[in-house]
Amino acid sequence: GAVVSQHPSWVICKSGTSVKIECRSLDFQATTMFWYRQFPKQSLMLMATSNEGSKATYEQGVEKDKFLINHASLTLSTLTVTSAHPEDSSFYICSARALAGGSSGANVLTFGAGSRLTVL
Amino acid sequence: AQSVAQPEDQVNVAEGNPLTVKCTYSVSGNPYLFWYVQYPNRGLQFLLKYITGDNLVKGSYGFEAEFNKSQTSFHLKKPSALVSDSALYFCAVRDGRGGADGLTFGKGTHLIIQP
Repeated sequence: GAVVSQHPSWVICKSGTSVKIECRSLDFQATTMFWYRQFPKQSLMLMATSNEGSKATYEQGVEKDKFLINHASLTLSTLTVTSAHPEDSSFYICSARALAGGSSGANVLTFGAGSRLTVL
Repeated sequence: AQSVAQPEDQVNVAEGNPLTVKCTYSVSGNPYLFWYVQYPNRGLQFLLKYITGDNLVKGSYGFEAEFNKSQTSFHLKKPSALVSDSALYFCAVRDGRGGADGLTFGKGTHLIIQP
């Protein structure tokens, strides 16, 4: 089945530094990837929709200059948390939707395992 | 705007008993409905979906869900619970009118299966 790989699975950084999280679709091409943020014991909040070859679409309240998203190829999207602060500490999860007709189905999202960011 | 409600923060079921995790939704067009399961510090795993067709949908690990349009519900069920089913379950909806919008998730329900 479809697999989405996220890297790193966990990262600790100092306040003020930038952290990049990668999301890769391993066995299918993803025109669209989504980035979610999950706070402890809470649901997932959609941060942005990443479309290959175009600018990401951010949800209301999400700072696009803070959370930089790049979807340079059909198998890779990256989320960069710039000038990270302790309040950015969270569990970030990406998901990918295959091209229509792909083996994973056009309507089912495949999720990565998540990346836990801790900002000291 | 679309929304999902999971009214129960936690559901406790004895092993071997049937389980139900409730979900209601609100969406403008025809709903695409999903259930995902999350184990501790892990991403989400797809369980099942309803797009069209039979209202009773069967998914992974023996789970099933029933789409009820009049009640705008999509409750997750399993006839006989296992301890290994203990996890956090999310219901999600997407407007079926198209577009690449991400899913809207419910807040999640902790399912605890007691031996």
